[in-house]
Amino acid sequence: RKEVEQDPGPFNVPEGATVAFNCTYSNSASQSFFWYRQDCRKEPKLLMSVYSSGNEDGRFTAQLNRASQYISLLIRDSKLSDSATYLCAVNEVRRNTPLVFGKGTRLSVIA
Amino acid sequence: EPEVTQTPSHQVTQMGQEVILRCVPISNHLYFYWYRQILGQKVEFLVSFYNNEISEKSEIFDDQFSVERPDGSNFTLKIRSTKLEDSAMYFCASSEEGNYNQPQHFGDGTRLSIL
Repeated sequence: RKEVEQDPGPFNVPEGATVAFNCTYSNSASQSFFWYRQDCRKEPKLLMSVYSSGNEDGRFTAQLNRASQYISLLIRDSKLSDSATYLCAVNEVRRNTPLVFGKGTRLSVIA
Repeated sequence: EPEVTQTPSHQVTQMGQEVILRCVPISNHLYFYWYRQILGQKVEFLVSFYNNEISEKSEIFDDQFSVERPDGSNFTLKIRSTKLEDSAMYFCASSEEGNYNQPQHFGDGTRLSIL
C-alpha cells in the first residue's frame, strides 16, 4: 500500500518562530515531491516542488532524503498568515501520475 | 495567474440522483484530474485524463462515476446515482505536459452534499 504519512499536529508556534514538518513516504518508486498548503475547507495550493538538492523559496525551505524516504519543510520567521494545513504529496516517475497526499500537518501561528 | 475553475461551488442533491461537476482546467494544460476529500480525511485521487481518455483511475472510481471532456475547455465528473458516502469536496486539477512530473494546480472545489 502506497502511503504518505505526516504528523497531524497541531503545531502552535509564536510569530517569528522557525518550524519544521516532516513527511515520510513508503513507495520507493516515488520520484516527485510537493508541498501544498490548504486553508480550512479550501483547495490545496501548491507551495513548492521539492528537488533532490533541496530548494528554498523565501522563508520556506524544502529538503528530500531519498535514503530515509522523507521530505521536510522548514518555515522561518513564521507569520500569522502561515496558519494552515501543510500537505505533502508524492507521485511516481511515470509522467503526470496521480498525487498521493498525506493527511497534512496543521500549523497555527500565534501573535 | 491562470487558474482552474469549478462549478458549482456547492451542490446539494438527494441520494440516488445524478450530479455533474464541472471544471475548466488551465488552458495550456493537457492532463486533468479529479480528487475528492471527505471532511477530515486525506485528499484522494479519483481519475486522471489525457488525450481524451482515462489514464488512470482509483478503486473509488467505480461504474457510478464517469468523466468527459465535452468541448475544448470543460472537464466534467458525473456521478450517476449518488450515495450518502459521496458527500465530500471534489477538486479538479490540471498540469502541463513535461518531461517529468509537473505540479498539479487545483480548482477551488465543489462541495457535494448528499441528503
